[in-house]
Amino acid sequence: GAGVSQTPSNKVTEKGKYVELRCDPISGHTALYWYRQSLGQGPEFLIYFQGTGAADDSGLPNDRFFAVRPEGSVSTLKIQRTERGDSAVYLCASSLTGSGATQYFGPGTRLLVL
Amino acid sequence: GENVEQHPSTLSVQEGDSAVIKCTYSDSASNYFPWYKQELGKRPQLIIDIRSNVGEKKDQRIAVTLNKTAKHFSLHITETQPEDSAVYFCAASKLTGGFKTIFGAGTRLFVKA
Repeated sequence: GAGVSQTPSNKVTEKGKYVELRCDPISGHTALYWYRQSLGQGPEFLIYFQGTGAADDSGLPNDRFFAVRPEGSVSTLKIQRTERGDSAVYLCASSLTGSGATQYFGPGTRLLVL
Repeated sequence: GENVEQHPSTLSVQEGDSAVIKCTYSDSASNYFPWYKQELGKRPQLIIDIRSNVGEKKDQRIAVTLNKTAKHFSLHITETQPEDSAVYFCAASKLTGGFKTIFGAGTRLFVKA
């Protein structure tokens, strides 16, 4: 079946603008994760959803970052007043359940803030 | 806070040799340790994982060992092949009470033919 998909694949924006990044998980997967990966680094946890609720948002760096998953499937990561330091690859992953189940990653959205 | 340290950052081996990557974790409550392989420009993919109720797990040329007391775990790749060249990430998380996954910084493995 289809894997995790993310759109857009690349996003260039200007400092101060608002961006939305979308993740379509594998159908039937209840758990969804957002990560941020900077060059030469491992994925950095941002937020985890179980169903519609954010079970753990402790990785969100500040209140400019927000994520939703209103129907328990597609998720959107929203970044307000973007800063140059937000430039990174934003990865989404989904798993069948949250507990020790394999996380399947999407291809990522490469965000560049000028 | 939680932290996972990974060494070495770069590893170069000759085809056919073994490669070992080591990680340490700080949160003693961590009990699930996956390893991911990320090829250039591609998404991370799970290659093997281990839970804290076992000390070793093997899958063909890949094995992972876990020392809970020392909070160390390692990835062993035997008979390396050029297609093993990639960045490898270790990670740690808990199976209950929170599923935050903490990744190491990665090891870039080069297998020379």
